[in-house]
Amino acid sequence: QKEVEQNSGPLSVPEGAIASLNCTYSDRGSQSFFWYRQYSGKSPELIMFIYSNGDKEDGRFTAQLNKASQYVSLLIRDSQPSDSATYLCAVKVLAAGNKLTFGGGTRVLVKP
Amino acid sequence: KAGVTQTPRYLIKTRGQQVTLSCSPISGHRSVSWYQQTPGQGLQFLFEYFSETQRNKGNFPGRFSGRQFSNSRSEMNVSTLELGDSALYLCASSLNGDRSSYNSPLHFGNGTRLTVT
Repeated sequence: QKEVEQNSGPLSVPEGAIASLNCTYSDRGSQSFFWYRQYSGKSPELIMFIYSNGDKEDGRFTAQLNKASQYVSLLIRDSQPSDSATYLCAVKVLAAGNKLTFGGGTRVLVKP
Repeated sequence: KAGVTQTPRYLIKTRGQQVTLSCSPISGHRSVSWYQQTPGQGLQFLFEYFSETQRNKGNFPGRFSGRQFSNSRSEMNVSTLELGDSALYLCASSLNGDRSSYNSPLHFGNGTRLTVT
């Protein structure tokens, strides 16, 4: 079992709809959770991070964390074609410094 | 504020050679991490440096090494290059170097794309 798992996609979403991305993790010592967006040929760009159970909203993005279920998700509201990218979930474990463990990423395609 | 700067952007090397990649973190950031990204393995952690000390290392052979200077700039070196070392090498910096920091995100540079022939 991989430490951080994501559905590889592609997740096809109509423009204006909500894209829902999921991520599960295996290490119960996981402390904080990060979502990065990566366009083809580019480096990962931080979207947002969360470390408390519940929801955290930032513009059109909402991260949801459920530590009991070892599950974190990202919602993209009003999806735009420019949101088409690979979304990477990353996990930081307690006392592991700044080491992030990444999932394989979910490819999102927003169709006009 | 300038972002994380990596040089060079592209490199082509042949098997057996060695290569050095450079990273300048965001001003004020003291933690620098290196990652390798390949289509097959995804993003994998190489090592992290804080205050010139390597404090975390991923599961890579000893051919991969790094260092950090007093100004927080970092270099990584790969010796005896293999075809499988072809990848995008990413450097990331973080403000908070506390081992228990949970709210300190990593910011990535544009990466160095290494091709080994």
